[in-house]
Amino acid sequence: AQSVTQLDSHVSVSEGTPVLLRCNYSSSYSPSLFWYVQHPNKGLQLLLKYTSAATLVKGINGFEAEFKKSETSFHLTKPSAHMSDAAEYFCVVSSGNTPLVFGKGTRLSVIA
Amino acid sequence: KAGVTQTPRYLIKTRGQQVTLSCSPISGHRSVSWYQQTPGQGLQFLFEYFSETQRNKGNFPGRFSGRQFSNSRSEMNVSTLELGDSALYLCASRYTLAGGSSYNEQFFGPGTRLTVL
Repeated sequence: AQSVTQLDSHVSVSEGTPVLLRCNYSSSYSPSLFWYVQHPNKGLQLLLKYTSAATLVKGINGFEAEFKKSETSFHLTKPSAHMSDAAEYFCVVSSGNTPLVFGKGTRLSVIA
Repeated sequence: KAGVTQTPRYLIKTRGQQVTLSCSPISGHRSVSWYQQTPGQGLQFLFEYFSETQRNKGNFPGRFSGRQFSNSRSEMNVSTLELGDSALYLCASRYTLAGGSSYNEQFFGPGTRLTVL
């Protein structure tokens, strides 16, 4: 069985400060891990993915995440938040042909 | 390359009615998955189709059904609608090799917002 725990339901940061969204996963197999972002009234956009290559993964819009097997974590970071980053972020686990398993999401607010 | 498209974008139905939602995957993608998103339950997997066959199924009642056509387009149907079926229904497609192995990366459409009154 696979599962994802997003440790914060809401994170609030000031514009220009770093962003950290935390995610822990559980998987019986070698997992693929993803971060998706959802802006209000929009579908899901893939930010980045880990598929057993480099443990530090770079994504779009300056986001990156580090896969730490020993900690079963896949935290999402960005050095400097922008107002346009305000959205809902989902950590996702999958392997092989299995469906995606989503965390409950973290709402990121960016304060001017 | 065009993205995943879903129609209609918004629907309002009343309890007891049925509804059909449509999804066109990215060209070349033969796997299509459906997800339900609600504030209370989050994102939940409904089913996945590959080559016109249901490959995976989530834990939803039989009122939820789907199908896939030979051009990879997919539809999902919900019969006897209940208030709790109000949700954003998301379709996602992914690339699958001829042998059936799929890339894990899925691409999502904008969703269909269903409201049941």
